[in-house]
Formats: sequence, structure tokens, C-alpha cells
Amino acid sequence: GQQLNQSPQSMFIQEGEDVSMNCTSSSIFNTWLWYKQEPGEGPVLLIALYKAGELTSNGRLTAQFGITRKDSFLNISASIPSDVGIYFCAGFTGANSKLTFGKGITLSVRP
Amino acid sequence: DAGVTQSPTHLIKTRGQHVTLRCSPISGHKSVSWYQQVLGQGPQFIFQYYEKEERGRGNFPDRFSARQFPNYSSELNVNALLLGDSALYLCASSGGQPAGGYTFGSGTRLTVV
Repeated sequence: GQQLNQSPQSMFIQEGEDVSMNCTSSSIFNTWLWYKQEPGEGPVLLIALYKAGELTSNGRLTAQFGITRKDSFLNISASIPSDVGIYFCAGFTGANSKLTFGKGITLSVRP
Repeated sequence: DAGVTQSPTHLIKTRGQHVTLRCSPISGHKSVSWYQQVLGQGPQFIFQYYEKEERGRGNFPDRFSARQFPNYSSELNVNALLLGDSALYLCASSGGQPAGGYTFGSGTRLTVV
């Protein structure tokens, strides 16, 4: 099935560093979402974006909805050990009522 | 308030068998969606139900079916299990639009041997 493009597969950063993740698609989405998943759990919504160009923050997290509606990025500032996990982007069009996910980026934070 | 609850948490089945997975949405949520997450991949959409009617279906074979009950809980059924059906099956509930309202359960880990 279609998936959004997220790379690299894994990222390793030092505690206190900022990190940026990008997500791209060949298709347009009306809504972009960023989720975090930890072992043994389902994805947890971090940020939802509903309008092209929108920039939204949630604590140390900032995400933007690309103007072309085909991409989004997530920034995490001043990383801490509990930021470890898998970060997924997801797009939603309303058609078929489905979320389309990327493959995810596994983030590791070194103390 | 309880979140989305799924049962069982883990399950081991043999090829060819049938499995039923269960999901209870957040109280007041009328929409339930099912996703399959294979190891190392993002979740893939299987079904969405709203008010007991199927509103969306992903690219999965007819061996996969689902239903939603009057209390808005849902079951996902998979017949004639294949090894490739081994995955984490996630249920998400929503009270309606916008799309950011989807809350996921912790999933059922299905292993087919």
C-alpha cells in the first residue's frame, strides 16, 4: 500500500540537541499528523496540522504543513532521553476515511 | 476515562486458523478504524466503521472482515491465517472530524506459526 516517505530509518542524537524530521508524499493531503510510538504501545498523536503553511507547536515540538500539501516536517528542540521512540508522519484526505502512514524514524538520544 | 482498549494483547495462531480481535472505543466515540502494522513499517489501513456501517476499506483480501456493534465496539476477523498476517493490529477510535481526533489502542500482537 501507499506510504509516505520518511528517511533516514534511524537517527542518533546527543541529549540537548535539536532534531528535524521530514515527510514527503507524491499525493496531496488535507491534514498532516505526527505520531510517536513506544515499544508495546500504539501511536500517540503529537501534532495535527490542518492548513497548508500552518506552523504548530506542542511544547518542544514544532511541525509545519508544507505549502504544496505534499510534505511536512517535525522539529524537536533540546532533546531529552524520553524523546526516544519511533516517529511517524501520517496524511489524511477524507477519502476512504484512512490515515496513510510513513515507515517511521527511530530516534535514539544519547545521555 | 478509559482509552481505546483492545483484546487480547497477544495471540498465537496456526496457519489456516481463524482469529477474532476486539476493540472498545473511547466512551462517546462512534467511529472505529483498524490498522495492521508489520514490524518495521507504519500502520496500514484495513477498515473504518461509523455508526455500525463500513465507511472505508483498505487494500486487504476478503479474508479480513469487521463489524461494529450497537455499543460501538468492534471486531476484526481474519480467516485462513497466513504467516504474513503476523503483525500488530491497532484499533483507533474517533468522535468525528477532524482527522486529528484518532486515538489508538495498544494493539493486539498476532503471531501466526
